[in-house]
Amino acid sequence: GALVYQYPRRTICKSGTSMRMECQAVGFQATSVAWYRQSPQKTFELIALSTVNSAIKYEQNFTQEKFPISHPNLSFSSMTVLNAYLEDRGLYLCGAIQGSEQYFGPGTRLTVL
Amino acid sequence: GQQVQQSPASLVLQEGENAELQCNFSSTATQLQWFYQSPGGSLVSLLSNPSGTKHTGRLTSTTVTKERRSSLHISSSQTTDSGTYLCAIDNNRIFFGDGTQLVVKP
Repeated sequence: GALVYQYPRRTICKSGTSMRMECQAVGFQATSVAWYRQSPQKTFELIALSTVNSAIKYEQNFTQEKFPISHPNLSFSSMTVLNAYLEDRGLYLCGAIQGSEQYFGPGTRLTVL
Repeated sequence: GQQVQQSPASLVLQEGENAELQCNFSSTATQLQWFYQSPGGSLVSLLSNPSGTKHTGRLTSTTVTKERRSSLHISSSQTTDSGTYLCAIDNNRIFFGDGTQLVVKP
């Protein structure tokens, strides 16, 4: 079956430092990966959609300078939260897309001190 | 405006009661999914239902596409059903609703 792993599951970083999180698709090829953030008391917001061999499309309020994404192959993507501050805390979810199906990972929960 | 609106925002039930959750969306959707988000945050896909009625276990979803609404019915609720239920539509990108927080008391 199609599985999506995210690493780490939980992480804490100091304000102003950076945090890298990973997303691994197992059992299928993810032509696109969507990264989402769920801030406290809010729903999931799309950060960006990354398609292999194509430009990464960032949503309004999210930039490559703040959330650089790497998507080197069909099974792996990583995203870094640069210069994290309190407003960046939350649950970061990756959705690995194959065709019309999107499979979600368990998320990386980021706490910023 | 918000693409997906869910109601109620929260719901408290006694074990055994039925729950009815609503989802309204403002644009056409090629896909509609209901998710359960555990207290730890993980998403569990419950039902994909772009139109019509689907059942799985104690869950029934009915989507009326032309009216842009969907409902999720949970029958004979259990305490383990407590959590957040999210509705999401796929319209070239996924939009999530704010969720319904369900609490089922013993």
